[in-house]
Amino acid sequence: DAKTTQPPSMDCAEGRAANLPCNHSTISGNEYVYWYRQIHSQGPQYIIHGLKNNETNEMASLIITEDRKSSTLILPHATLRDTAVYYCIVRVAHTAGNKLTFGGGTRVLVKP
Amino acid sequence: SQTIHQWPATLVQPVGSPLSLECTVEGTSNPNLYWYRQAAGRGLQLLFYSVGIGQISSEVPQNLSASRPQDRQFILSSKKLLLSDSGFYLCAWSVQAFGEAFFGQGTRLTVV
Repeated sequence: DAKTTQPPSMDCAEGRAANLPCNHSTISGNEYVYWYRQIHSQGPQYIIHGLKNNETNEMASLIITEDRKSSTLILPHATLRDTAVYYCIVRVAHTAGNKLTFGGGTRVLVKP
Repeated sequence: SQTIHQWPATLVQPVGSPLSLECTVEGTSNPNLYWYRQAAGRGLQLLFYSVGIGQISSEVPQNLSASRPQDRQFILSSKKLLLSDSGFYLCAWSVQAFGEAFFGQGTRLTVV
């Protein structure tokens, strides 16, 4: 699975959009981009995933560049409860050995 | 709906004692199952994953073992705990071949 690079930390203001970048320059054509977040002392929570097209759900939007070498997770209106570590993962979806390997993630602090 | 149960929530064990952590999943069949460990202030480390009964893949050499005696049961064990085994242990499941994984609430293990 391709490796990802994320900034170690970032702050954002409550009520504003939070844009979390992720670089995955070695991504291959059949690898998906997944995002998870982990609130302190809890298990990680799946947020969203995508292959090529931009995706949106009730939690966030995922913007993938045309060359697929980077992506951005957008939390449209950050709340204090969005404070968490956000993980970007790149992996092949349709394989039997479905390993999920987490990197260091981005520690996001939402400030009032 | 699918649920994952992991227990106990916290555990304090002396060095050299055995360990058994259990994880069960409800509402799905033939899931992929995972055990992760998170040391204090660190990222998630994949320890074991399983694609079926009796099929266990180990990611890192360590003092722990895993077993899957039933389709929706995953057990993490140790014969003799070390201080370095302390951490936050998370069980997760996913539908075969897909990347959305769902995590339990974790067990915080302290070896003293």
